[in-house]
Amino acid sequence: AQSVTQPDIHITVSEGASLELRCNYSYGATPYLFWYVQSPGQGLQLLLKYFSGDTLVQGIKGFEAEFKRSQSSFNLRKPSVHWSDAAEYFCAVGARAAGNKLTFGGGTRVLVKP
Amino acid sequence: GAVVSQHPSWVICKSGTSVKIECRSLDFQATTMFWYRQFPKQSLMLMATSNEGSKATYEQGVEKDKFLINHASLTLSTLTVTSAHPEDSSFYICSARGQGASYNSPLHFGNGTRLTVT
Repeated sequence: AQSVTQPDIHITVSEGASLELRCNYSYGATPYLFWYVQSPGQGLQLLLKYFSGDTLVQGIKGFEAEFKRSQSSFNLRKPSVHWSDAAEYFCAVGARAAGNKLTFGGGTRVLVKP
Repeated sequence: GAVVSQHPSWVICKSGTSVKIECRSLDFQATTMFWYRQFPKQSLMLMATSNEGSKATYEQGVEKDKFLINHASLTLSTLTVTSAHPEDSSFYICSARGQGASYNSPLHFGNGTRLTVT
């Protein structure tokens, strides 16, 4: 069965500082991977996705993520955070063999200090 | 494009009553919709997968008689929480995959429904 781990429950960063959110997955084959962001009381918005090809993917709002097969990781990064980036971030993994259902990590809450 | 509308955004109901939550794809047809439940400060847990015109597939541990799912059209799926109890209080989120979308296409999420059972 596929699983996703986000080791950091919450992270506090200063505005303008860089941000990296960790995501580790467990799956036998190559999964497809997503990062979503959720503002309080809202649904999820897709930031970026990886299926194949270039392991560094660019997303919206200045985010990028790098797929590292050897480390089973798909970490999310942003060079300079804005106060509006404060939210909950979820990494998700899916696979065709798993019926195309997404499994979500536990989430990382990002707080941005002025 | 690819907007999913969920209604209501929040609802308060008395214990023992039933509540219906609607999930609509506004500008695309969704053959598959997924219903998730999210407890405070926790991740999303898939409850069931709903396919248009067929019975929903429930995840292990989810009571199908309590959480009734209907996907009668390509743009509407409903989740009815029957005989609600306080422990059913949660944030329910639907998501949809468009008709003809590839298996690895991202899901489009509604804004969720906050259910409080008193």
